[in-house]
Amino acid sequence: GQNIDQPTEMTATEGAIVQINCTYQTSGFNGLFWYQQHAGEAPTFLSYNVLDGLEEKGRFSSFLSRSKGYSYLLLKELQMKDSASYLCAVVDSNYQLIWGAGTKLIIKP
Amino acid sequence: NAGVTQTPKFRVLKTGQSMTLLCAQDMNHEYMYWYRQDPGMGLRLIHYSVGEGTTAKGEVPDGYNVSRLKKQNFLLGLESAAPSQTSVYFCASTQTVGSTDTQYFGPGTRLTVL
Repeated sequence: GQNIDQPTEMTATEGAIVQINCTYQTSGFNGLFWYQQHAGEAPTFLSYNVLDGLEEKGRFSSFLSRSKGYSYLLLKELQMKDSASYLCAVVDSNYQLIWGAGTKLIIKP
Repeated sequence: NAGVTQTPKFRVLKTGQSMTLLCAQDMNHEYMYWYRQDPGMGLRLIHYSVGEGTTAKGEVPDGYNVSRLKKQNFLLGLESAAPSQTSVYFCASTQTVGSTDTQYFGPGTRLTVL
């Protein structure tokens, strides 16, 4: 079967750095997405990785290792508005998105 | 550009009632999707469409039907609602066929079945 694993919840302090991990086992791989979802709202796109390595975009970075079936999202200089769920999703061999259950990130002052 | 819109935003149904959720996008996207999101679970694909007049089953299609009569609209129907269908429903669209393009999501419909 296909499986995406993420921690259920994480807590971090405003101004700090947090790393959210995602491991996957899917039938085929055509890329990995990270989405942000604030409570009661729709998911919004953060990043896309298809090659190994680190992609940096402002305060957010995303890393991929295809051989390990592993990705992480790195958030720097945390702000209160970063309190949200972060969803990892893998594009499988049929170009369908397989979604993780999401990681709820709580930011404390 | 409104992006992806969904109606209604909230709905309460009694078991056995029927309803239709409407999704509309103004980005001329080919692909459209219906997901449901339940606590502690990832988004699960119900049905999707690769273009006007086409539909296909996703991971959890039972109890739902869909239609894509116009490119910009994707309708999700519940013929006989059950409490297990209480969920948040999201519609999404993507620009190109069979690609890794970003999916754009509507604001969601919160459905409660009593």
